[in-house]
Amino acid sequence: AQKITQTQPGMFVQEKEAVTLDCTYDTSDPSYGLFWYKQPSSGEMIFLIYQGSYDQQNATEGRYSLNFQKARKSANLVISASQLGDSAMYFCAMREGSTGGFKTIFGAGTRLFVKA
Amino acid sequence: DTAVSQTPKYLVTQMGNDKSIKCEQNLGHDTMYWYKQDSKKFLKIMFSYNNKELIINETVPNRFSPKSPDKAHLNLHINSLELGDSAVYFCASSEDRPVINGYEQYFGPGTRLTVT
Repeated sequence: AQKITQTQPGMFVQEKEAVTLDCTYDTSDPSYGLFWYKQPSSGEMIFLIYQGSYDQQNATEGRYSLNFQKARKSANLVISASQLGDSAMYFCAMREGSTGGFKTIFGAGTRLFVKA
Repeated sequence: DTAVSQTPKYLVTQMGNDKSIKCEQNLGHDTMYWYKQDSKKFLKIMFSYNNKELIINETVPNRFSPKSPDKAHLNLHINSLELGDSAVYFCASSEDRPVINGYEQYFGPGTRLTVT
């Protein structure tokens, strides 16, 4: 069964607008961490933001924020004021405490295109 | 100053050959990983090592053998290469802390392996 689901294979957004990338997850472990990574066309994986299962507030990092809805098991990434350089693949990922945090499961990714 | 480095960046070889990919991190992390990213960009964990000990082995064919001579290095040796092994292989490292405290993985630049 899919543990991380990203339902949007591709998304378009106009420059300077906000965009939300969806991520839902499935776990019965009370301790888990959720991550978002960006992979530009150059190929490297860049960490963006983290949310812990016990965190009361949504994580924010600059223009990135994570809309964490625990009951719905969703961890959507919101990018505000999109820039051309935001065009990339975005991966949602999860680590479960039961695996000691040594196993990260990635979603299939969403390719974001920012239009000028 | 490179945090996680991999060599080589590109590797083209023929079926049946044996090849190695080297990974080094200078972050002082205790945990290192190997991931495989296929042509559809799906990223899947292969191995996790913690303090040179194998923690996770994700049903990878035994033609793949990781070796960790010390905490800073995790090499991947592949025997009898097959066409299906063509992919981008990422090495990563992270601290060893409880998953709810959040510790992102730092990825290497990737090694694009092409088997002909």
